[in-house]
Amino acid sequence: QVQLQESGPRLVKPSETVSLTCAVSGYSISSGYYWGWIRQPPGKGLEWIGAIHHSGNTFYNPSLKSRVSISVAPSKNLLSLTLNSVTAADTAVYYCARQAIAATGNWFDPWGQGTLVTVSS
Amino acid sequence: QSALTQPRSVSASPGQSVTMSCTGSSSDVGGHNHVSWYQQHPGKAPKLIIYGVSQRPSGVPDHFSGSKSGDTASLTISGLQAEDEADYYCCSYAGSYTWLFGGGTKLTVL
Repeated sequence: QVQLQESGPRLVKPSETVSLTCAVSGYSISSGYYWGWIRQPPGKGLEWIGAIHHSGNTFYNPSLKSRVSISVAPSKNLLSLTLNSVTAADTAVYYCARQAIAATGNWFDPWGQGTLVTVSS
Repeated sequence: QSALTQPRSVSASPGQSVTMSCTGSSSDVGGHNHVSWYQQHPGKAPKLIIYGVSQRPSGVPDHFSGSKSGDTASLTISGLQAEDEADYYCCSYAGSYTWLFGGGTKLTVL
């Protein structure tokens, strides 16, 4: 059973950088698929942030591309998200998910439980 | 890129059917057959229930079904059950290796 678990700071000050980690178990990142990050501001909808393949190939949401970096450590089965110059608008639950990108289907499954990051001074 | 448009809420009684829409453009929903749907209960992570417009993953009950016409995708839940009450989000491939989600629809089972 594939499981994902996000971790990172819960409170970040404006203009700072937040780094989150997603630990994957039950499946080797090196076996395939992309691995994505999605966020959800409190009471609002979902926003795709970006995705990465174990080869290092990455895709980013154009609206966040200048502030986001996603990396992967296949040997540790970890992926990471770094978001810099944060503002209150970046306050959200951040999810990681396995992302299928193929002609046969694009989907996100499974998802981690999410971690709430609050940007406040 | 703007979020896909979903009605904020829909409601129906147990046993009835409900359909919710997800409207995009020719660049996303209308241009690709990569529409997926997610169910999210309060405080929980989203769960995949439909992919490829109308395909159900293993383990998802067959009272969930998806379709698409032009720039609008739809999710239909038939034989509504109390546990179907949740938020539902659509997602579409939007070209250039980017993905768009909808704003979500809150389903209330009366």
